[in-house]
Amino acid sequence: EVQLVESGGGLVQPGGSLRLSCVGSGFIFSSYYMTWVRQAPGRGLEWVANIKSDGSEKSYADSVKGRFTISRDNARKSLYVQMNSLRAEDTAVYYCARHVDWAFDFWGRGTMVTVSS
Amino acid sequence: QSALTQPASVSGSPGQSITISCTGTSSDVGGYNYVSWYQHHPDKGPRLLIYKVSNRPSGVSNRFSGSKSGNTASLTISGLQAEDEADYYCTSFTTGSTYYVFGTGTKVTVL
Repeated sequence: EVQLVESGGGLVQPGGSLRLSCVGSGFIFSSYYMTWVRQAPGRGLEWVANIKSDGSEKSYADSVKGRFTISRDNARKSLYVQMNSLRAEDTAVYYCARHVDWAFDFWGRGTMVTVSS
Repeated sequence: QSALTQPASVSGSPGQSITISCTGTSSDVGGYNYVSWYQHHPDKGPRLLIYKVSNRPSGVSNRFSGSKSGNTASLTISGLQAEDEADYYCTSFTTGSTYYVFGTGTKVTVL
């Protein structure tokens, strides 16, 4: 059974940093692109970033470019996002998802990030 | 990059069929057959229902079907059931610096 479990969320002050993690199981993690998607309170889903299976290619939404860095450790079956210079508008539930065939076929349950003083 | 446009809410009675539209532009929905649909229940991760416009992953009921015409994609739920009550989102690959754009989301209510 494919499972994705996010962790690392919490309360952080504006301008602060946070690193989220996502551990995958039940599939060959190193064979898949992976993605972060977020949902702000009361809002819709927003694509955040993608990373190729070997980590060699990364892409970001304009709203996080230059502040967020996506990475992965295939040996640990883990996906990460380092979030710097956090703003109130980054407050959201962050989901990791497996990316295949131009879609996101399995998702975690998410981890909440709150940016507030 | 603007979000794809979906109706805020759609409702139907059990057994009925409903259709959710997802309108974009020639840079996203109209330009690529890379539209997917997701069902999202509160406090759960979203679930993939349809990929590449009209393909169903294994395990997804054939009550869910997808189509596209021009810049508008559609998700149809037939034989509506109480468990279908959820939020639904479309997404599409897009040109430009943001690779994927989501729809605004549609709340489906089963009367």
